Amino acid sequence: AQTVTQSQPEMSVQEAETVTLSCTYDTSENNYYLFWYKQPPSRQMILVIRQEAYKQQNATENRFSVNFQKAAKSFSLKISDSQLGDTAMYFCAFMKGYGGATNKLIFGTGTLLAVQP
Amino acid sequence: EAGVAQSPRYKIIEKRQSVAFWCNPISGHATLYWYQQILGQGPKLLIQFQNNGVVDDSQLPKDRFSAERLKGVDSTLKIQPAKLEDSAVYLCATFGGMVNTGELFFGEGSRLTVL
Repeated sequence: AQTVTQSQPEMSVQEAETVTLSCTYDTSENNYYLFWYKQPPSRQMILVIRQEAYKQQNATENRFSVNFQKAAKSFSLKISDSQLGDTAMYFCAFMKGYGGATNKLIFGTGTLLAVQP
Repeated sequence: EAGVAQSPRYKIIEKRQSVAFWCNPISGHATLYWYQQILGQGPKLLIQFQNNGVVDDSQLPKDRFSAERLKGVDSTLKIQPAKLEDSAVYLCATFGGMVNTGELFFGEGSRLTVL
């Protein structure tokens, strides 16, 4: 069975600074996807960034980037130039990559990020 | 396009009472998930539908939880009788493609408090 672990329950960062959220996972699969989802207070969860395990290049989306270490089964999220709107719960998630619409996301326990003005 | 709609947003009930949550997916989205998010934990999958068929309900407590997706569109999740440990946010998420890329679209959730 796959597991996703987020060891930082809460983090705080000053506006405009950079912060890194950690995630580790365990799987025997070779083909899979990893995600970071953001859940703002009282709002719906949205996808921040996605990484295919077969790609060596780390994914980036504007101010968000990941450090994917497949051998170490580590998948951290770096947020650059933090903004007040980045305040949210961040979930790391895993999904098997065998395709089809029957896949499901397995989530970690989340990291609550507070961006301070 | 309209997002995933869920109702009610908040519900408070006594233990042993029943409750139902409703989800209206994005138009055309065939895959629908119900997740349970207990405070301090990540979302846990309860049930997954593909159109009106159940794909995975292995973690659904079937003695008290039930879900249906008649006509492959709207879905309801019911709890009867509720227990204190059912207090959580119930998230509905949908996906509309043939190959799941993992980009699910979530509703705002229904927060249940069982007293």
